[in-house]
Amino acid sequence: DQQVKQNSPSLSVQEGRISILNCDYTNSMFDYFLWYKKYPAEGPTFLISISSIKDKNEDGRFTVFLNKSAKHLSLHIVPSQPGDSAVYFCAAEVLSGGYQKVTFGTGTKLQVIP
Amino acid sequence: DAGVTQSPTHLIKTRGQQVTLRCSPKSGHDTVSWYQQALGQGPQFIFQYYEEEERQRGNFPDRFSGHQFPNYSSELNVNALLLGDSALYLCASSPDTSPDTQYFGPGTRLTVL
Repeated sequence: DQQVKQNSPSLSVQEGRISILNCDYTNSMFDYFLWYKKYPAEGPTFLISISSIKDKNEDGRFTVFLNKSAKHLSLHIVPSQPGDSAVYFCAAEVLSGGYQKVTFGTGTKLQVIP
Repeated sequence: DAGVTQSPTHLIKTRGQQVTLRCSPKSGHDTVSWYQQALGQGPQFIFQYYEEEERQRGNFPDRFSGHQFPNYSSELNVNALLLGDSALYLCASSPDTSPDTQYFGPGTRLTVL
């Protein structure tokens, strides 16, 4: 049962343009949603998160939008840079009784073309 | 300040063998989580250790076990290895349950032949 889904395995974008990465989820009990970036031979690196009670969070070039009614979130990168080329994982977290359990999607490989 | 470190970086085992992977958390972190990332998949949560006890577990069989030491470092043990256990094993540490403070190590690539 894949509770967090990233339906696009890859995405190519021109440098300077907007990159939009999408994620769908099925579990309405998730408390937080996170995006991680992963370069080859490295572990995932936290990028940005959003609480389930918010609909938007912005950090520099990165903005995450949450649509709870559609169980959908997206990551916008503006403007895209070649260094953004990596695999992006959407993740969702349940916080319960001090416990933290993170569920990851399958990832989207972003290529930013110079 | 060293981040999360894992050893070894690569490992080759045969079916039925046992393996131990090691993780040292980032300085100041006391919680360690382990993930399995199969090829083309996202990381899957195995379990989390805090205060030397397993406090949360994902859908993995008992062949997967772990340990956390007083210095917060951790080990992941897998018994009776199967071909399907071939994956990248990631360790992540965090100081508490804050959602955006989980730092990942580079992983250990396990190949089971």
